[in-house]
Formats: sequence, C-alpha cells, structure tokens
Amino acid sequence: AQSVSQHNHHVILSEAASLELGCNYSYGGTVNLFWYVQYPGQHLQLLLKYFSGDPLVKGIKGFEAEFIKSKFSFNLRKPSVQWSDTAEYFCAAGITGSARQLTFGSGTQLTVLP
Amino acid sequence: DGGITQSPKYLFRKEGQNVTLSCEQNLNHDAMYWYRQDPGQGLRLIYYSQIVNDFQKGDIAEGYSVSREKKESFPLTVTSAQKNPTAFYLCASSIPGQGYNEQFFGPGTRLTVL
Repeated sequence: AQSVSQHNHHVILSEAASLELGCNYSYGGTVNLFWYVQYPGQHLQLLLKYFSGDPLVKGIKGFEAEFIKSKFSFNLRKPSVQWSDTAEYFCAAGITGSARQLTFGSGTQLTVLP
Repeated sequence: DGGITQSPKYLFRKEGQNVTLSCEQNLNHDAMYWYRQDPGQGLRLIYYSQIVNDFQKGDIAEGYSVSREKKESFPLTVTSAQKNPTAFYLCASSIPGQGYNEQFFGPGTRLTVL
C-alpha cells in the first residue's frame, strides 16, 4: 500500500534559522508530490507541487522542495524561517492518473520562536 | 470569489445521533472528497466522488455516508455507527488535470460528540 512518512512530528526553530522537513513516500510508479500548509485557524493550502521536470520546485513564501527519486524523498526547505511560518505542514503523494486520492503524511508542527 | 464552503464550523452532537456536514464548491470541479483529520495522523480519506451520482469509499468509510446529487454539493453524514466521530472534517475538490491530484480544501468542520 502507498504511504507517506514525515519524520518530524514537532520542530521548534528560532527566527532566521534554516528549515528542512523530511518526507518519504512509498510508490512503485510515477507520483505527484505536494506540500500543504495549515496556518492556525486557516484552510489547508498548497505550498508547492511536483509533477515532472526540474526536481527542485519553488513554492510560495520562499519555500522550496527537492524531489530525489532514488531516495523516494521530497523534503521541504526554507533558508530562513519567520515567526509567521508557524503552522502544520503536510506532505502528500498521489498516483498520476488516479482520481482516488492523495495519501498524506502525519504532519509536522513547526513552531518558530520570535 | 470561488472556493469551498463548509458549514457549520463547529458542531456538537449527542451520542447516538446522526449529523450531516455540508460542503459546497463553486469552482466547477468534478471531483470532491471528504477527509478526517486527527492529531498526529494526518488526513485520512473517508469518501470521494468523481462525478454526480457516483461516489467511492475511501480508507475509513465505516460509519459515514455521502450523496452527490449536484456537482456543487457533497454532504457527509456521520452516523451513530461511527465509533469515534469526534474529529476535524475537511472537504476538498479537484479537477481532472494531473490525475485529480491537486486538491483544494475548505475551512473544515470540527465535530464534537458529547
């Protein structure tokens, strides 16, 4: 069965620190990969997505992620976090051509201290 | 503005009662989804629908029912058979591009069973 793993449940950083959140997926075929963010009291929204092409994708608010096929990974990065980045981050994977669903990781709560 | 609306935002129910959560979208999306979000477990798919009058069970459909009589609407009923219904419920929609994977989410309904 397909699965998505996020290694860190809770990450605490100070402002200006660099961020890397891990995400690994288990699929045999072609996948689409996503990072979603849920700010306190707000909708779950798309941060960035990878379908094909350049494995380094850039998203909103200075976030980026790198798809490494050999490692089945899609880690999220940001060089310098801000207090406003405090949120829960979800990695998700879906099989191309399948209407069924995205499979989500368990989420990482990021707390940025001012 | 186009988007997904869910109502109510908070819902309280007594044990043994059925309750229906509303989800409406004006994005003209074909597919709609219901997820359940529990702390530390990410999002788990309850039901999804690709077209009107058709829907499929997700990973945790037991104790839930849905209908899709209109393209814009995908209500979820939490029945008394659902053993642990207290959770945050998210509705989403998507279009066929890239295999329906990119999903857009509503603000959620928090259900508490008293």
